[in-house]
Amino acid sequence: QVQLVESGGGVVQPGGSLRLSCAVSGFSDFRNTDMHWVRQAPGKGLEWVAFLRYDGSDRDSADSVMGRFAISRDTSDNTLYLEMNSLRPEDTAVYYCVTDPGTGYNSRFDNWGQGTLVTVSS
Amino acid sequence: DIQMTQSPSSLSASVGDRVTITCRASQSIANYLNWYQQKPGKAPRLLIYAASSLQTGVPSRFTGSGSGSGTDFALTISSLQPEDFATYFCQQSYTTPLTFGHGTKVEVK
Repeated sequence: QVQLVESGGGVVQPGGSLRLSCAVSGFSDFRNTDMHWVRQAPGKGLEWVAFLRYDGSDRDSADSVMGRFAISRDTSDNTLYLEMNSLRPEDTAVYYCVTDPGTGYNSRFDNWGQGTLVTVSS
Repeated sequence: DIQMTQSPSSLSASVGDRVTITCRASQSIANYLNWYQQKPGKAPRLLIYAASSLQTGVPSRFTGSGSGSGTDFALTISSLQPEDFATYFCQQSYTTPLTFGHGTKVEVK
């Protein structure tokens, strides 16, 4: 049973920083799996945030976070990270880490964590 | 960015009803379209990928289809069950930024 557990959310002031973690367990193929972060503002829809190729060879992010957020992973302990800097009120959302078994066009989000809430407010 | 437009934004239905939700892409995305179900307070769940492929473990009453145009897609629930009342999102995987529709809430009639 694949399990993704996010942590690191909380309340932060505008301009502040947070690092989210996602611990992946029950998944022997983490080293070969692309990963993403997806967020959902309270009462709103889903927004893709960032992507990291399984081998680190490619990464991408939404324009709304580019230059402020950075996605990374540590395959030695099966953990995905999202470093968030210069946070804005509009970054307030539940952040989900997700696995992606597809490649390129076949991308899809098949396993989701429970999410961690980030609140940016003074 | 590719815009995904879902309709309707909400619908009321009864158990046993056949329900269809549509999703239109602002440009052709071939068949690179996924569908998710989300219940309140829970993470989304993948139902359909590549427009019509059923994700493992998802009941066969869920079907996905595309019109062939690469822009128009549908999710059909053949016989609505109590556990199907939820919000459904489409998502294109053709190009980044990966984008979602705004969701369709299926409510009890």
